[in-house]
Amino acid sequence: GESVGLHLPTLSVQEGDNSIINCAYSNSASDYFIWYKQESGKGPQFIIDIRSNMDKRQGQRVTVLLNKTVKHLSLQIAATQPGDSAVYFCAETASGGSYIPTFGRGTSLIVHP
Amino acid sequence: IAGITQAPTSQILAAGRRMTLRCTQDMRHNAMYWYRQDLGLGLRLIHYSNTAGTTGKGEVPDGYSVSRANTDDFPLTLASAVPSQTSVYFCASSVLQGENTQYFGPGTRLTVL
Repeated sequence: GESVGLHLPTLSVQEGDNSIINCAYSNSASDYFIWYKQESGKGPQFIIDIRSNMDKRQGQRVTVLLNKTVKHLSLQIAATQPGDSAVYFCAETASGGSYIPTFGRGTSLIVHP
Repeated sequence: IAGITQAPTSQILAAGRRMTLRCTQDMRHNAMYWYRQDLGLGLRLIHYSNTAGTTGKGEVPDGYSVSRANTDDFPLTLASAVPSQTSVYFCASSVLQGENTQYFGPGTRLTVL
């Protein structure tokens, strides 16, 4: 079946470096994507979203890139800080379907001071 | 504004017992969701509700029931708990189903012995 594929690697970076977290999705009907951050012991928190009519969207220190051709989504975090250490999830939604988002399994980001 | 609250924060439960996890939101969101989160499996949808008075089944509904008597409350009931229901449970809400961002509660850690 179609699903969001986000393997659960651990990404370790040094404070101040840029981080890139990737997500591959397989549902070609998905047209809305969200990145969430989940800190230990807390619920997921919205970071940034992007719709399929866009290739790039920027927030504060974060950028999401969408490549619909290869069904790939990435989250870039600039000047990574220790407070960015968390598990990051991507989620996809197909507005023409059930509207229920499908979540990937998450990537653990560890930022070393 | 509290957003979404969940109760209890954690619970240890004997197998076979009935348990209701509470979820309340004060954002007047139409849609609400229950997820379980297990290590390595990410977030899996149990049940959802698009609006007060309606509910739907998610990916893993067996052993769980929900009700949506009003906009604010969305309790999740385990009629007869089993050890495989040991998990962290998150409630979420969104303005509209699908496109809009989901806001998550802090979670309930449930252990069934």
